[in-house]
Amino acid sequence: EVQLVESGGGLVQPGRSLKLSCLASGFTFSNYGMNWIRQAPGKGLEWVASISSSSSYIYYADTVKGRFTISRDNAKNTLYLQMTSLRSEDTALYYCARFDDGYPDYWGQGVMVTVSS
Amino acid sequence: QITLTQQAESLWVSPGEKVSITCRASQSLLYTDGKHYLSWYQQRPGQTTKALIYHASIRTDGVPTRFIGSGSGTEFTLSIEDVQPEDIALYYCLQTLKKPWTFGGGTKLELK
Repeated sequence: EVQLVESGGGLVQPGRSLKLSCLASGFTFSNYGMNWIRQAPGKGLEWVASISSSSSYIYYADTVKGRFTISRDNAKNTLYLQMTSLRSEDTALYYCARFDDGYPDYWGQGVMVTVSS
Repeated sequence: QITLTQQAESLWVSPGEKVSITCRASQSLLYTDGKHYLSWYQQRPGQTTKALIYHASIRTDGVPTRFIGSGSGTEFTLSIEDVQPEDIALYYCLQTLKKPWTFGGGTKLELK
């Protein structure tokens, strides 16, 4: 069974940093591209970042480019999102999602990030 | 970037009815491989976001046959036949043809 479990969220002050993790199980992690997608409270979904299976290709939404870094450790079956210079508008539930056959097929439950002073 | 528009923010249905959710793209989602890079997702409280349909019309594993994806080019529809109480949820379309990926605004299915 494919499982994606996010962690590392919490309350952080504007301008500070936070690192999210997503532990994958139930599939060969190193064979799949992975993504971060977020959802602000009461709002719709927003794609944040993507990384290919070998980390060769990385893409970011303009709203986070230069502040967020997506990475992965295939030996640890873990996806990361390093977030710096956090803003109030980054407050959201952050999901990791596996990418297969042209779409994100499995999603985690999400981890909440709240940026507030 | 490609804009996806889901016209209806909310739709009210009774169990057993058929409902259709539309998603309009600002440009064609057809790639040179002949596939449309449009997928549909269901969000229910307390549950993980579930992929229902990919490539516009292919159901993912385990999705009931009452969920039907259709459309081409820029116009897509998710139809739910014989709506069940467990289908009451939020539904989103997503394009993965071009970065940045973009989602529709979502349609909330509610019981009459």
